[in-house]
Amino acid sequence: GQQVKQSSPSLTVQEGGISILNCDYENDMFDYFAWYKKYPDNSPTLLISVRSNVDKREDGRLTVFLNKSGKHFSLHITASQPEDTAVYLCAAGGSNNRIFFGDGTQLVVKP
Amino acid sequence: DAGVTQTPRHEVAEKGQTIILKCEPVSGHNDLFWYRQTKIQGLELLSYFRSKSLMEDGGAFKDRFKAEMLNSSFSTLKIQPTEPKDSAVYLCASSFGGKGAEQFFGPGTRLTVL
Repeated sequence: GQQVKQSSPSLTVQEGGISILNCDYENDMFDYFAWYKKYPDNSPTLLISVRSNVDKREDGRLTVFLNKSGKHFSLHITASQPEDTAVYLCAAGGSNNRIFFGDGTQLVVKP
Repeated sequence: DAGVTQTPRHEVAEKGQTIILKCEPVSGHNDLFWYRQTKIQGLELLSYFRSKSLMEDGGAFKDRFKAEMLNSSFSTLKIQPTEPKDSAVYLCASSFGGKGAEQFFGPGTRLTVL
């Protein structure tokens, strides 16, 4: 089965609003969680990552929340801008160097 | 510093052909990954090398897909024989290695099999 799941294939948010992207994972041994961003016709690039020893990490307009008991993590983007429009891939991994990606959520920020 | 490079950027093949995709990881990176990206399946792992040793190859892809890494700065992905369902973008990524290391992706090769 799929190790990392993004249940929402798409999300539309008004400019200035908060975008909330969600991700669920299967393996409770995972201890590394990340979000990658992908523009059309470009490759994914790392946005933000967090280890399991924290439940929250902020970086500018981005915040990752980690809920280990629920095997869930999310990415919050405050003051969303049209330039944030992209596909967001969540990823998680454990003891080896392998990480598992979700299928992605297409975020559209409308001006 | 050069990022991950992939060639060719586009490939068109007839059904049944053999094609070879190439990847040069970031210099000094120990881990190399081959992924297939489609709209339906998302990002699927094809192969994973650690210090040139094959650590994992996606079970579903074993029969026609073969990745090799003969030296630390070059990897190939061979698809033989190609089928129309192989049409996708093939991404190569590398990382320093270690748990949770950031993966740097190449620009991808868009393969179309007629």
